[in-house]
Amino acid sequence: QVQLQQSGAELAKPGSSVKISCKASGYTFTSYYISWIKQTTGQGLEYIGYINTGSGGTNYNEKFKGKATLTVDKSSSTAFMQLSSLTPDDSAVYYCASLGARGFAYWGQGTLVTVSS
Amino acid sequence: DIQMTQSPSFLSATVGDRVTINCKASQNINKYLNWYQQKLGEAPKRLIYNTNSLQTGIPSRFSGSGSGTDYTLTISSLQPEDVATYFCLQHNSGPYTFGAGTKLELK
Repeated sequence: QVQLQQSGAELAKPGSSVKISCKASGYTFTSYYISWIKQTTGQGLEYIGYINTGSGGTNYNEKFKGKATLTVDKSSSTAFMQLSSLTPDDSAVYYCASLGARGFAYWGQGTLVTVSS
Repeated sequence: DIQMTQSPSFLSATVGDRVTINCKASQNINKYLNWYQQKLGEAPKRLIYNTNSLQTGIPSRFSGSGSGTDYTLTISSLQPEDVATYFCLQHNSGPYTFGAGTKLELK
């Protein structure tokens, strides 16, 4: 079955960076793009962007340009998202999700990022 | 960006009730509208894609309808396991945007 397994919770200091991983299994990795979504109590769900798992090409929501960097390692069927220059506003649960013509299909379990000094 | 206005934000209903949740887009999204269910502490699960197509494995009491800017998720007979937050997603054009969610509880 399709699974997206994300890395564990992160506690980071303001100004630092974190890198979250999303390992896919149960399907051909390059069949779907991987998207990233931010969830907070205040702002709800926000689309960050996607990466083409075949070419490595990316598309970002303007709001997250400069904040998020998406990469992929096809050899390990893993997508990554790096968040830089962290502030408390970046504290959230971040999800990866497979993206196809039918929108976001399968989601990872989420990674909690807490930014605090 | 396309704004998705979801209503109601909170819904209390009884087992067996017919429940409807609505999403209104700020412009035509050509039926590229999905519905998701999120239970507490879990990842979202897709229920409906492209307005009215039922995801494999989802009970048939869930259905979707709509066109243009207005879309509806219907639960024909509410079950206890349907307690969750529901939200819509438009994937017609980027950036993809979500409704704010409807928290569904049992009365």
